[in-house]
Amino acid sequence: AQTVTQSQPEMSVQEAETVTLSCTYDTSESDYYLFWYKQPPSRQMILVIRQEAYKQQNATENRFSVNFQKAAKSFSLKISDSQLGDAAMYFCAQQTGTASKLTFGTGTRLQVTL
Amino acid sequence: GAVVSQHPSRVICKSGTSVKIECRSLDFQATTMFWYRQFPKQSLMLMATSNEGSKATYEQGVEKDKFLINHASLTLSTLTVTSAHPEDSSFYICSARGTTEAFFGQGTRLTVV
Repeated sequence: AQTVTQSQPEMSVQEAETVTLSCTYDTSESDYYLFWYKQPPSRQMILVIRQEAYKQQNATENRFSVNFQKAAKSFSLKISDSQLGDAAMYFCAQQTGTASKLTFGTGTRLQVTL
Repeated sequence: GAVVSQHPSRVICKSGTSVKIECRSLDFQATTMFWYRQFPKQSLMLMATSNEGSKATYEQGVEKDKFLINHASLTLSTLTVTSAHPEDSSFYICSARGTTEAFFGQGTRLTVV
C-alpha cells in the first residue's frame, strides 16, 4: 500500500519570500508519479506540479519547483516569490502507474502574509 | 486543460431522501472516474473508482448500497447517496483520469437536514 505523509499542518510565508512544503511517501513500486495539488477556499483542486519517478530532473513550473529525492522518498515543493494568491491548502499525492488512484497526504495549509 | 463539471455545487436534502451528483468530463473521454469525500480541514478520502461499463470498485468501509455509482458513458459518472442521513453531510469531489493526470470537478457540498 502507498502512503503519503505531510508533516507540516500549517506554514506561513511573507509575500515575495520563499517557502518549502515537505512531503514523504512510501511505495514498493518503481513506476509512479508524484503531484502537488492546491486547494484554495473555493475547494477546486488545482494541479500545481507533477513529477515522474523515472525522471531525475526536478520538475519546475514558473515559481513552483520540487526537490525530488527518490532514494529518500521525499518530494518537497518550493514556492518562490510567494503571492497572496498562493494561500491555500496544498496536498501532496502519489499515483502508481498511469491508471491507478491517487493517494493524498493530509495537507499543509499555507498562509501568505504582507 | 481538460474540464470536469460536477453538478450540483450545493444541495440540501431531507433525511431519508436520495441525492444524485453528476460528474461530466467535457472535452475528453474518461474510462475511469474517482469519487472522493472530504471532511472539513481534512484530506480527500477515496470512496470508489468508477469504470465505464462495469461495476464500481469501493474502498474498504464504504457502503456500496448507500453510495451508488453509475458510469454509463465515457463522459458521465453519477454518485447517488441513498437514504441520506445527517452524517452523510460532507463535500464530495469527483475526478476523471486524463492521459497524464487527473482532473477534478468543482465539488458538491451536501447538507442533510
